[in-house]
Amino acid sequence: QVDLQQWGAGLLRPSETLTLTCAVYGDTSNGFYWNWLRQSPKKGLEWIGEINHSGATNYNPSFMGRVIMSMDKSKNQFSLTLSAVTPADTAVYYCAQSLTFWSGFAHWGQGNLVTVSS
Amino acid sequence: SSDLTQPPSVSVSPGQTARITCSGDPFPAKYGFWYQQKPGQAPVLLIYKDNQRPSGIPERFSGSSSGPTLTLTISSVRAEDEAVYYCQSADNMNIWLFGGGTRLTVL
Repeated sequence: QVDLQQWGAGLLRPSETLTLTCAVYGDTSNGFYWNWLRQSPKKGLEWIGEINHSGATNYNPSFMGRVIMSMDKSKNQFSLTLSAVTPADTAVYYCAQSLTFWSGFAHWGQGNLVTVSS
Repeated sequence: SSDLTQPPSVSVSPGQTARITCSGDPFPAKYGFWYQQKPGQAPVLLIYKDNQRPSGIPERFSGSSSGPTLTLTISSVRAEDEAVYYCQSADNMNIWLFGGGTRLTVL
């Protein structure tokens, strides 16, 4: 059984940096893709990017230049940094795991509402 | 890149069959996926690789693919199936895309 627990700041001012961390509990020895997504009423579900067990990242071009994903395999944790936030970045942010690229996001964190407001 | 288009809503009576479609032009990638989301909860993976069910997902949920269209079929619909359903696929740069969601109402 795999469980994802996420945390981070919930209220940011415009131009600040969003940082979220997700801890993965369970066996990840067979490989993984760790993902960040967000959901807002206006844009629906958006995939932000992924980092895999080799440390390779793939980002949605919509966030390129503002997003960095990193991981600490020793702690089974990964993080999202999104810089220069605006009110348009207000959303519920989720971490999610898939075991392989085509296996789907089988495990999700509980979600964090991040509000960007002056 | 391709967009994924879903009907905004589908209504069905209990015990009937609901079908939710997802189309792309062209359909972006090899495989499609389906998720169920209930209010205040994270999405749940229902179908992967077009028609595969993760363990724990009831057989009432099935998926199929034909040309540019994915279809999620829910047989013998129950009140508990009322939720928003999302399709997912990847574009040719391996960027994950989601449909806009279909709200299933059980009458």
